[in-house]
Amino acid sequence: DAMVIQNPRYQVTQFGKPVTLSCSQTLNHNVMYWYQQKSSQAPKLLFHYYDKDFNNEADTPDNFQSRRPNTSFCFLDIRSPGLGDAAMYLCATSRDRRAGGPYNEQFFGPGTRLTVL
Amino acid sequence: AQSVTQPDIHITVSEGASLELRCNYSYGATPYLFWYVQSPGQGLQLLLKYFSGDTLVQGIKGFEAEFKRSQSSFNLRKPSVHWSDAAEYFCAVGRTSNTGNQFYFGTGTSLTVIP
Repeated sequence: DAMVIQNPRYQVTQFGKPVTLSCSQTLNHNVMYWYQQKSSQAPKLLFHYYDKDFNNEADTPDNFQSRRPNTSFCFLDIRSPGLGDAAMYLCATSRDRRAGGPYNEQFFGPGTRLTVL
Repeated sequence: AQSVTQPDIHITVSEGASLELRCNYSYGATPYLFWYVQSPGQGLQLLLKYFSGDTLVQGIKGFEAEFKRSQSSFNLRKPSVHWSDAAEYFCAVGRTSNTGNQFYFGTGTSLTVIP
């Protein structure tokens, strides 16, 4: 089945130690998103890629970076994690409207739970 | 600016009882509306969506939602709740732009189902 995959599901890192979260998709969608979701809160969009074009949200801290080496993969890099960065990180994808079909919805991965010690 | 309000932070219902989760949105154009469900420690699963046409939309797991433009609402309903429906429910409004589809989520409603 076509899907959005996130690895690892659980990640533990130390305060200040860089960490990378990974997302891959078999849907061949050209848009990929990263969300941060803290406990009992709504997902908050950090940034998204439209093809190779990076779109950062205005309030996303510089500590968060992203890379998209190809259509299928997207990475979230946290350069110096703080205690406040402990959260669930969700990856999502959507189609380009030009591709037709249900382009308005986003498909979510299972998330990576990040713990910062 | 777009926004979504879910007035109920937490709802408790008995198994077999009916359910209605409220969602109000603020959006200048025709909204694309969604309901997602999130089980503990999991990602978001789409329950249903509204783009246009029939204002009563059917989704998975026996859920339905009704779009009411006059009330700016998109409430989620289920006639008989099952224990497995206990989860967090998010309403979202989508805005499609040239760079993708931005979603604006409500703060969520946590559903507890009691035997």
